[in-house]
Amino acid sequence: ETGVTQTPRHLVMGMTNKKSLKCEQHLGHNAMYWYKQSAKKPLELMFVYNFKEQTENNSVPSRFSPECPNSSHLFLHLHTLQPEDSALYLCASSPVHDSPLHFGNGTRLTVT
Amino acid sequence: DAKTTQPPSMDCAEGRAANLPCNHSTISGNEYVYWYRQIHSQGPQYIIHGLKNNETNEMASLIITEDRKSSTLILPHATLRDTAVYYCIVRVGTDKLIFGTGTRLQVFP
Repeated sequence: ETGVTQTPRHLVMGMTNKKSLKCEQHLGHNAMYWYKQSAKKPLELMFVYNFKEQTENNSVPSRFSPECPNSSHLFLHLHTLQPEDSALYLCASSPVHDSPLHFGNGTRLTVT
Repeated sequence: DAKTTQPPSMDCAEGRAANLPCNHSTISGNEYVYWYRQIHSQGPQYIIHGLKNNETNEMASLIITEDRKSSTLILPHATLRDTAVYYCIVRVGTDKLIFGTGTRLQVFP
């Protein structure tokens, strides 16, 4: 148990579907992150939120849309994805932006 | 791009110390060295970090050379559950945590 919970653990979606990934942290942290981990590639930072404000968008395509309604919850809304978007999507949180990150166990996404 | 270099894989016998090296020859004075590991099918787990001095916690020890151009993560008594990919990362302040390809440590019985 990492204190960062991601749902669902697995998701299969078609290219025309709309789905959302959810992340919830029970650690009282103020910064939250989305990372993408594709097969055979290093983790890639996607988005950073500090105190609910987005502070980093790492050139992510607009078919990925993050939402941070409060410091405990982070969503990643997905629409019209491509098969190459299939990957493990990891959420993380930290007390403040320069602290060690705590990761969830990810959502394994397959786009068909 | 990651600023560290690590061997792609290492083996270690169970019960022995695992010493994982990392080169960060371009590290700047205010960059910290972080270590994370990722066990199969899980998210990365924070292990330890340091700036100049050696550090120890319940999981591992971090030895940083005096010139800070390299470091070693030491797992004093490796177990089968320590089999994972270990990432060495340098980072300053609120900079992005950039992961490289890491070292795949295999602990064998």
